Amino acid sequence: DIQMTQSPSSLSASVGDRVTITCRASQYISNYLNWYQHKPGKAPELLIYAASSLQSGVSSRFSGSGSGTDFTLTFSSLQPEDFATYYCQQSYDTPATFGQGTKVEIK
Amino acid sequence: EVQLVESGGGLVQPGRSLRLSCAASGFTFDDYAMHWVRQVPGKGLEWVSRLSWNSYNIGYADSVKGRFTISRDNAKSSLYLQMNSLRAEDTAFYYCVKDKGSESKYQFDYWGQGVLVTVSS
Repeated sequence: DIQMTQSPSSLSASVGDRVTITCRASQYISNYLNWYQHKPGKAPELLIYAASSLQSGVSSRFSGSGSGTDFTLTFSSLQPEDFATYYCQQSYDTPATFGQGTKVEIK
Repeated sequence: EVQLVESGGGLVQPGRSLRLSCAASGFTFDDYAMHWVRQVPGKGLEWVSRLSWNSYNIGYADSVKGRFTISRDNAKSSLYLQMNSLRAEDTAFYYCVKDKGSESKYQFDYWGQGVLVTVSS
């Protein structure tokens, strides 16, 4: 299975901060990388698919980049509603696998 | 509005069975592949199973292969997961998930709220 490693595992940031989360795959996955937001008690939400494509209805303050094995999710200006856990996931090979998550907390 | 509503979770003894259901609405159900994804409370996400729009393409995680069976009824816009020989390590929230494609792209664009399955004696 392809292992996905996110860093950091958690971070504290302030409203308005520019924040970047990274995700590394254990092998080449081209641009088959997706990002999700998960808030407690709610359904996870797809933010970015195919590494850099913004899912319909998602705020443009989210952006994704990367290819091959290294990827990033960037928040241009952190908002109160962005405090959640974020997961990367590879869709290159079966089984689909997720990173361990990055919890974004309020500083 | 896309809605995925899971049901059928609960407390079950090891070795017993449980069947999860997912009622879908707000999209043309038989145009899309569907999945089950689970999350042990406080832990990460694990893909469990996939089913193509026409039920021809099926896949399972190694951890559930031979014990779980995914199925769908397109006439009822419903997805199912039959879980047999349950183990303590199957304890998790189970999410019904829609794929962006008719075959499995593994791009999960809509998720249900999840249903808790607890396997314990």
